[in-house]
Amino acid sequence: GNSVTQMEGPVTLSEEAFLTINCTYTATGYPSLFWYVQYPGEGLQLLLKATKADDKGSNKGFEATYRKETTSFHLEKGSVQVSDSAVYFCALRGTGGFKTIFGAGTRLFVKA
Amino acid sequence: NAGVTQTPKFQVLKTGQSMTLQCAQDMNHNSMYWYRQDPGMGLRLIYYSASEGTTDKGEVPNGYNVSRLNKREFSLRLESAAPSQTSVYFCASTGGDHNSPLHFGNGTRLTVT
Repeated sequence: GNSVTQMEGPVTLSEEAFLTINCTYTATGYPSLFWYVQYPGEGLQLLLKATKADDKGSNKGFEATYRKETTSFHLEKGSVQVSDSAVYFCALRGTGGFKTIFGAGTRLFVKA
Repeated sequence: NAGVTQTPKFQVLKTGQSMTLQCAQDMNHNSMYWYRQDPGMGLRLIYYSASEGTTDKGEVPNGYNVSRLNKREFSLRLESAAPSQTSVYFCASTGGDHNSPLHFGNGTRLTVT
């Protein structure tokens, strides 16, 4: 079945550092891939998505590229801010399927 | 635009009590979902409703029941709560195709003692 694996946290960075959170997936066909972000006390919200191979999703300075050859969708940001402290979830939704599968989440702490 | 609204925000139950978590969306979405979130385990799907009139089990359905009351509303019922059901519960909805992201409510934090 479909699955998502993302790097364990927590990840602690200083402000303006470079961020990478690794995500790999297992799926048949051509799933859509998503990154969601969860701030304390809130539900998840979409950060970015990519729907086909080589697509790059981007939002708020975050980027991720859909790499079918390595089945990966790593999240990157060039310069993190304290306000980026949150939990980040990688997820996929399979073609023709109704279910979204989530990774375990990676907590990010950014220090001033 | 309210999006996905869940009630209540917090609830404490004793073992064996029952309760219903309510969820409503105003985005005219066909599909609705109930997830639970536990530390270190991400989100696990309890039940989902692909369209009005249908419901299906997810990964962890035991101890829960659902009702898709109409297109807007999808409720989750715990008939006899157990401490293992202590969790944060999220309702979500989405449009029709697999490119569409989920829209989440703000969650219900449930404690069963």
